Amino acid sequence: DTEVTQTPKHLVMGMTNKKSLKCEQHMGHRAMYWYKQKAKKPPELMFVYSYEKLSINESVPSRFSPECPNSSLLNLHLHALQPEDSALYLCASSQDPTGYLWAFGPGTRLTVT
Amino acid sequence: TQLLEQSPQFLSIQEGENLTVYCNSSSVFSSLQWYRQEPGEGPVLLVTVVTGGEVKKLKRLTFQFGDARKDSSLHITAAQTGDTGLYLCAGAPSGAGGTSYGKLTFGQGTILTVHP
Repeated sequence: DTEVTQTPKHLVMGMTNKKSLKCEQHMGHRAMYWYKQKAKKPPELMFVYSYEKLSINESVPSRFSPECPNSSLLNLHLHALQPEDSALYLCASSQDPTGYLWAFGPGTRLTVT
Repeated sequence: TQLLEQSPQFLSIQEGENLTVYCNSSSVFSSLQWYRQEPGEGPVLLVTVVTGGEVKKLKRLTFQFGDARKDSSLHITAAQTGDTGLYLCAGAPSGAGGTSYGKLTFGQGTILTVHP
């Protein structure tokens, strides 16, 4: 298994909703990442988990809450989002934070209304 | 802070033409990756170059990593309409530890359109 999977593929939520994005990989990678990407722009790093511990939080607003239940799973909990949070949310994994084997998931297209 | 300057930002060419995309930095990277992304999809890794001076070929795509591991190029020969997409270069930090640990530095991307 050489891929990163993400669910759901599309999500529309209101500003008062609570939802979660899910990411899974079975490549034995020990680093997992959340990125946010606006159209035609490069991905922007949000969080890094290294060996299931949060190692980097790029000053992301608290309405985004990451969780790493185990080495294969990564969640992003969303609450009270703003319309400007609408974007493609990408999960990625790598062998370790300095490893060069990286894989991105297909993304979740999030629309906040 | 590591920066990657990617150029050109936009490229519109006819099928059959050749093209080159560049990524340049003043920083050294342990490796550099090239991705291709279609609208609404995640980036797909095309290649990772690791050794200074390395050249890798993937069918009509040729990737080079600079001797000093600060720059890279992607050359496409005889472009096809299926090559259309957003091309991203991304550098992995050199050395472990510090605030750059675990961060990929992305170039700004090149939007390639190949017309039939």
